[in-house]
Amino acid sequence: GAGVSQSPSNKVTEKGKDVELRCDPISGHTALYWYRQSLGQGLEFLIYFQGNSAPDKSGLPSDRFSAERTGGSVSTLTIQRTQQEDSAVYLCASSLGGGQGATSYGYTFGSGTRLTVV
Amino acid sequence: DQQVKQNSPSLSVQEGRISILNCDYTNSMFDYFLWYKKYPAEGPTFLISISSIKDKNEDGRFTVFLNKSAKHLSLHIVPSQPGDSAVYFCAASDSGGSNYKLTFGKGTLLTVNP
Repeated sequence: GAGVSQSPSNKVTEKGKDVELRCDPISGHTALYWYRQSLGQGLEFLIYFQGNSAPDKSGLPSDRFSAERTGGSVSTLTIQRTQQEDSAVYLCASSLGGGQGATSYGYTFGSGTRLTVV
Repeated sequence: DQQVKQNSPSLSVQEGRISILNCDYTNSMFDYFLWYKKYPAEGPTFLISISSIKDKNEDGRFTVFLNKSAKHLSLHIVPSQPGDSAVYFCAASDSGGSNYKLTFGKGTLLTVNP
């Protein structure tokens, strides 16, 4: 596609429910990232996928969070038993390659999914 | 522990004047710095970057200055235009570590008044 596509754009869920957030990266981009931005905060790294390498999950805040990337393309971020502190904008980004090249020239971000847990 | 700090939540300038956005960092391992611009309901877009081997990088109306000894960088926009009104994020990476990972500041909301 022309850009990074995320769905849904907005999600309101009840505390304790599970949610799935989807990301379609730019075609041909091998690296994919998830970040989140809580209210009044900067973007916080969650997870990084690069090709067939093991993902860097070091940013996931708890074991309620998981992500997968199928076929090296679409990624799904799953939050189980959502809590109010999970409310944030979840941003997906992709880049042609990973590593320093990606950070040197910047990732391409999607518009995000605004998650509200009530 | 905030490793990238943007201490001004907001900045307002007149069209045609200079906008200066500031950023400080604490992690001495950071050696690559980027600025992103974000409009409401959109994802951040990459604006300009600088490596720690340089102290200045210019791209059109945008210039980033890096002062390594002070662990400080700034983004200058000259002349400022109303379309520059957005949130600006400073970000940093460590090329010797997880070099794909960016650490972001909280952002500065720039408003350029016509």
